[in-house]
Amino acid sequence: QVQLVESGGGLVKPGGSLRLSCAASGFTFSDYYMSWIRQAPGKGLEWVSYISSSGSTIYYADSVKGRFTISRDNAKNSLYLQMNSLRAEDTAVYYCARDGGAAWYFDLWGRGTLVTVSS
Amino acid sequence: SYELTQPPSVSVSPGQTARITCSGDALPKQYAYWYQQKPGQAPVLVIYKDSERPSGIPERFSGSSSGTTVTLTISGVQAEDEADYYCQSADSSGTYRGVVFGGGTKLTVL
Repeated sequence: QVQLVESGGGLVKPGGSLRLSCAASGFTFSDYYMSWIRQAPGKGLEWVSYISSSGSTIYYADSVKGRFTISRDNAKNSLYLQMNSLRAEDTAVYYCARDGGAAWYFDLWGRGTLVTVSS
Repeated sequence: SYELTQPPSVSVSPGQTARITCSGDALPKQYAYWYQQKPGQAPVLVIYKDSERPSGIPERFSGSSSGTTVTLTISGVQAEDEADYYCQSADSSGTYRGVVFGGGTKLTVL
């Protein structure tokens, strides 16, 4: 069925790195823009990064620019988020989300993967 | 970037109408979107492009826009509608491109 499944979360020390993955199925992944969105424990939603269907256009939130890198492999129906120089404030559930039509909204979300940054 | 402002909480009795507002200076120029999030679950899109309802979303959910404020209306609220609701819009100020979410509104069904 149509779904997104995130993986790769876990516990990492401040300054460390982690790579998140999102596996897409049930739709033509290469047709869609994709995003990563996070939610700190007990807090609201925060958009992290956005990538076009071909991967040629990428945007980042100011809070992660220079530390995080979004990428995709359309042959593998997969989205990635490389997170470097992690900070305690990066602790959150990270969701992979599909753009509804290159229109900057999200019509399909994964269940999320928890990233905890702590010493 | 700019902000979207929502009330932290709204309470309503079953069968009544709940209205959740979202204010932002760019809303006259950008569409608004609404998501429902229940505890421990991922958000679900309930309204897109200010007032469109995705397939599978009950008709009691509707959206409207007036100036710098958009409103999510839930008519005939049911217990299952108790959740957090987030508005969202695109942020394209100057050369910046991104997404902004409101702080969220907790809907309590009394």
